[in-house]
This record gives sequence, C-alpha cells and structure tokens, in this order.
Amino acid sequence: QQQVKQSPQSLIVQKGGISIINCAYENTAFDYFPWYQQFPGKGPALLIAIRPDVSEKKEGRFTISFNKSAKQFSLHIMDSQPGDSATYFCAASYRGGSEKLVFGKGTKLTVNP
Amino acid sequence: DAGVIQSPRHEVTEMGQEVTLRCKPISGHNSLFWYRQTMMRGLELLIYFNNNVPIDDSGMPEDRFSAKMPNASFSTLKIQPSEPRDSAVYFCASSFGLEGSYGYTFGSGTRLTVV
Repeated sequence: QQQVKQSPQSLIVQKGGISIINCAYENTAFDYFPWYQQFPGKGPALLIAIRPDVSEKKEGRFTISFNKSAKQFSLHIMDSQPGDSATYFCAASYRGGSEKLVFGKGTKLTVNP
Repeated sequence: DAGVIQSPRHEVTEMGQEVTLRCKPISGHNSLFWYRQTMMRGLELLIYFNNNVPIDDSGMPEDRFSAKMPNASFSTLKIQPSEPRDSAVYFCASSFGLEGSYGYTFGSGTRLTVV
C-alpha cells in the first residue's frame, strides 16, 4: 500500500513532442503528489506538485493530471526540449507533504534534438 | 541560502571501514531525511527526523547503519562496518514539514563506493 508505481522506465521523445509519464498508487490516505526532476550528478529537485482536490495543475510546459477515482496521476511535458532530458520521479505523501515521501522508481527521459 | 549541503561528495573506502556522511539542512527547516539511491532499488528512505528527533527509521537496512541529528543544523549517517553492497548515492533532504509546504530540498548527494 505504500508503493507508487511509475511507468515507463525510460522514454525517448523528439524535440517538440509531448512526454507523458504515469504513476499509480494504492493508499487513499496520500494527499500530496509531487514530481521531481533529477539531472546526472545532482539531487532530485521539486518540479511541480498537486493535491487531490484538483484534477489538473499547470506550470509552464509541465502539467500534472490527477484522477482520484483511478488513483493515478501523470506528468505531461509539452513541447519537450533536449534540456528536459533527465530522470523524473513521482512521489506521494500524507498530510500535505509534511510526512515522508514515497517515490516511484523513476523514468529516464531523453529528448532528441 | 546555500541549500542542503552534504559532505563528502565522493567517498571510496575499503570493506570493513567506518564511513560517516554529513548533512547541513536549510536553516529553518525542521524535517530532515536520508535517502539512498541505487539503480536497482531507486530512492529508498532510510530515516527521517522532525525537530531533531528520529521519527521513522524503518528503512535503515541493518544495525550497521546509524544516524544522528545533534542539532537543527547538522546530521550524520554512519555505516560501520561498511560492505560493498552499501555502494550507492546517499542523499540528504530537508523540508519545512508543515502542511502546505513545498516539498523537500535535496542535497547533491554523496557517492559512496565500498571496495
């Protein structure tokens, strides 16, 4: 019940395309769903986050879609750029993020020029 | 703010030696987390502290691992004795720890190699 399942493991997209990464969870007590971006040699950095009272959140080219009934959420990267090439992690937590985060296994995104 | 500061960035040690990893969280953050990252297992939470008190250490793999947070600005993760399977990148992260907070801030990690 503590797991967050992430897919795909790797993704290759052409520049300008849409990248979509999916996550699913079991524990309905989770109430905070962030996405992290990690570049080689760096720690993960918070990209965007959503709470279950909304179905979508957009920040620039990044959008989280949230389906509470299906217990799924996804990250969409519009107009993908080579600089977006990184590993992306979804995560989930209780109490608005004040409790420990449970991370997905990560998706390595490569955006070809 | 300089962010979460970890040291050393790289550590190579021989099996059986003691290893100490260090972390300075962001000033004002009251939660601190130690994660381990490997290709096989991804990001695993080892232990986390709130207001310098260990809250959940269920992820600590075995008694060889220990963590301390003597004050709000410093934490250590110690492995004694180290084994080759401990080779990984160890991340420290801190957060403000209240509802409505904006997630963790991770350090750059310590890459540990045990030979």
